[in-house]
Amino acid sequence: SQQGEEDPQALSIQEGENATMNCSYKTSINNLQWYRQNSGRGLVHLILIRSNEREKHSGRLRVTLDTSKKSSSLLITASRAADTASYFCATEAAGNKLTFGGGTRVLVKP
Amino acid sequence: DADVTQTPRNRITKTGKRIMLECSQTKGHDRMYWYRQDPGLGLRLIYYSFDVKDINKGEISDGYSVSRQAQAKFSLSLESAIPNQTALYFCATSESPGKSEQYFGPGTRLTVT
Repeated sequence: SQQGEEDPQALSIQEGENATMNCSYKTSINNLQWYRQNSGRGLVHLILIRSNEREKHSGRLRVTLDTSKKSSSLLITASRAADTASYFCATEAAGNKLTFGGGTRVLVKP
Repeated sequence: DADVTQTPRNRITKTGKRIMLECSQTKGHDRMYWYRQDPGLGLRLIYYSFDVKDINKGEISDGYSVSRQAQAKFSLSLESAIPNQTALYFCATSESPGKSEQYFGPGTRLTVT
């Protein structure tokens, strides 16, 4: 079973707009991570937020974590065509394994 | 050169055949993982290894086995392939409990006919 569930499943935006996707999970976690996957390729780590952190930034990425609601959001600002990809959240709980969500497919139209 | 490599990149095999997927890494990480991804879905953990002498089952280990030949090498075997094992397979590594971000190989697309 998947720990993380992402919403929406798919998102289509114009270049320059912001993209927001959400991740909900079920159990207590050590940290939550976001990954990007370009079509059929390996996942690339984007950002990690620990359970005692509420917000984190990396370039055009902003991640929030609300442990009381067991949810996280990823915001990509000023999107570019190159941001077209699938985005996955992954939670790390006890046992140091990652559990991945089903992903959000993002299409950025030029 | 890529830090995490997988061979083969694509493979078509028949039902009942034994097949091995190989993963090598030059990152010097102790921890290695095998995942499968089905179309439109996230990754599911098959097996993982935290060091050379450590092998652990993941969420979906039935029908698979692994071998950790060295720190740098982690192989996944399908003893008798079946069509519902058709999927994209990924190997990944991570450094330590405190640095749990994972680094992925390019994937192996396996088709079982």
